[in-house]
Amino acid sequence: DIQMTQSPSSLSASVGDRVTITCRASQSISIYLNWYQQKPGKAPKLLIYAVSSLQSGVPSRFSGSGSGTDFTLTISSLQPEDFATYYCQQSYITPYTFGQGTKLEIK
Amino acid sequence: EVQLVESGGGLVQPGGSLRLSCAASGFTFSSYWMHWVRQAPGKGLVWVSRIESDGTSTNYADSVRGRFTISRDNAKNTLFLQMNSLRVEDTAVYYCARNHNWNGLDYWGQGTLVTVSS
Repeated sequence: DIQMTQSPSSLSASVGDRVTITCRASQSISIYLNWYQQKPGKAPKLLIYAVSSLQSGVPSRFSGSGSGTDFTLTISSLQPEDFATYYCQQSYITPYTFGQGTKLEIK
Repeated sequence: EVQLVESGGGLVQPGGSLRLSCAASGFTFSSYWMHWVRQAPGKGLVWVSRIESDGTSTNYADSVRGRFTISRDNAKNTLFLQMNSLRVEDTAVYYCARNHNWNGLDYWGQGTLVTVSS
């Protein structure tokens, strides 16, 4: 199975900050890398698919980059509604493994 | 509006069975691959299973292979997960989700809680 490792596991930041979360795959996954946001008690929400394609309705302050095994999610200017847990997921080969999550908290 | 609504969760003893359902609406269900993803209390997301649009191909996580069966009824726009030989470690919220471009999961249900306990 492909292992997905996110860092950091948790992060404290302030409204207006620029934040970057990284995700590393244990082998190359081409561009089959997705990012999700999850708030407590809610289902995950797809933010970005295929490394850098913004899902419909997602604000442009979210962006993704990377290739092969190393990927990043960037939030350019944190808004209050962005405090949540973020997961990367590889969809290159089943099982479609997720990273362990990054909890973004208010500083 | 795309909607996915799970049902069938509940409390079951170890070794028991449950059948989850996911009712789909607002899109052409028969055109999409579908997935089940679970989340144990306070833990991260874990992919469980996938079924192709016509139901002919399925995939499973190692942890559930041989115990869980994914299926679908395209005439009734419904996805299923038959769970047998349930273990305490299967306790989780189970989500159904629709496959999007590049296999991202673009729509999710609200989840149904399965608790395996004696």
